[in-house]
Amino acid sequence: EIVLTQSPGTLSLSPGERATLSCRASQSVSNNYLAWYQQKPGQAPRLLINGASRRATGIPDRFSGSGSGTDFTLTISRLEPEDFAVYYCQQYGGSPQTFGQGTKLEIK
Amino acid sequence: EVQLVESGGGLVQPGGSLRLSCAASGFTFTNYAMNWVRQVPGKGLERVSVISGNGGGTDYADSVKGRFTISRDNSKNMLHLQMNSLRAEDTAVYYCAKSDCTNTGCHVMDYWGQGTLVTVSS
Repeated sequence: EIVLTQSPGTLSLSPGERATLSCRASQSVSNNYLAWYQQKPGQAPRLLINGASRRATGIPDRFSGSGSGTDFTLTISRLEPEDFAVYYCQQYGGSPQTFGQGTKLEIK
Repeated sequence: EVQLVESGGGLVQPGGSLRLSCAASGFTFTNYAMNWVRQVPGKGLERVSVISGNGGGTDYADSVKGRFTISRDNSKNMLHLQMNSLRAEDTAVYYCAKSDCTNTGCHVMDYWGQGTLVTVSS
């Protein structure tokens, strides 16, 4: 099973700043099958990125995904107030698919 | 507009059973695999089970294998999760989630319901 480790656990930033979230896999994720989800308090997760870098429908272009192999990054270029949430990565290149433990992005 | 609405959660004693349901609308239900994902409050996500679009393929997390059964009724656009032999560690919010393609290998979940809380306690 591929273990995903997200860092940092908590990221404190201000609106307008750039956020960089990391997701590291215990082994290479085939075909860069890596997705990112956003979850706000009391809400369901929302798909942001799949295939490591493809934005899902309706996702603003301030969200971007990059990386390959074992190291992946979600970047939010300029934080809006609604972006403060918990972010999860998910790999689906290996069986079983697995989620990371999450990064909480909080307002500084 | 895609809508997924879960129901059936509640309080159940250890060893008991519960059946969750998810009503789907806004897309061609039979064309997509469907999932149940759970989340212990304040914790991470665990995909519990997935079923293919035609219902012919299923898969389960090891933690629930042999106790939970996923099913779907494509004539009614409904997804179900029969949960038996429930344990305290099954306590979680259970989400219904749509996959972005048809078979059980479709792991990207592009739409989610709001979830239903299952509490297993005496």
